[in-house]
Amino acid sequence: GENVEQHPSTLSVQEGDSAVIKCTYSDSASNYFPWYKQELGKRPQLIIDIRSNVGEKKDQRIAVTLNKTAKHFSLHITETQPEDSAVYFCAEGNYGGSQGNLIFGKGTKLSVKP
Amino acid sequence: NAGVTQTPKFRVLKTGQSMTLLCAQDMNHEYMYWYRQDPGMGLRLIHYSVGEGTTAKGEVPDGYNVSRLKKQNFLLGLESAAPSQTSVYFCASSYSVDRPMNTEAFFGQGTRLTVV
Repeated sequence: GENVEQHPSTLSVQEGDSAVIKCTYSDSASNYFPWYKQELGKRPQLIIDIRSNVGEKKDQRIAVTLNKTAKHFSLHITETQPEDSAVYFCAEGNYGGSQGNLIFGKGTKLSVKP
Repeated sequence: NAGVTQTPKFRVLKTGQSMTLLCAQDMNHEYMYWYRQDPGMGLRLIHYSVGEGTTAKGEVPDGYNVSRLKKQNFLLGLESAAPSQTSVYFCASSYSVDRPMNTEAFFGQGTRLTVV
């Protein structure tokens, strides 16, 4: 079945440094890979996503890379700020037709120290 | 535009009691999901639906049932609650045929359920 492994489970960086979170997946049919940010006590919210026909996508300080051959994708945050502190989740999805499941990793707690 | 709304927000049940969690979305989404979130376990998919009248099992379906009689609503039922079902439950919805390239999943605010 589907499985998403996410590493590391916790990550602590100094303000201004970069943070990288990696995920691997098992379902070769997956075609959608979003990243969600969840602040304490709040609902998860999408920060960036990528489809299987694209290798990289960037949005200001956030970027996601996808390697379909190796079945892994990564979140890159540059110039980290204290407000980036949160739990980040990767997910794999299969959109279209009868599919539609969206499976999440176990999350990475990012702490950005001022 | 309310997005995704869950009711109730909090609930305490006794072991063996039953209850239904309601999720409603007003974005004309085809897909709806129920997740549970436990410390260190991330978001685990319980059941999901790809359209009105259809449901499918996720990663942890045992002890739960779901129904999608109307496109905008997705109900999660616990027939006989157990302490192991103490968790925060999130509903989410995504994908509209009107905007097929927008696949963002929107989450409700969560339901904190305690089974004693």
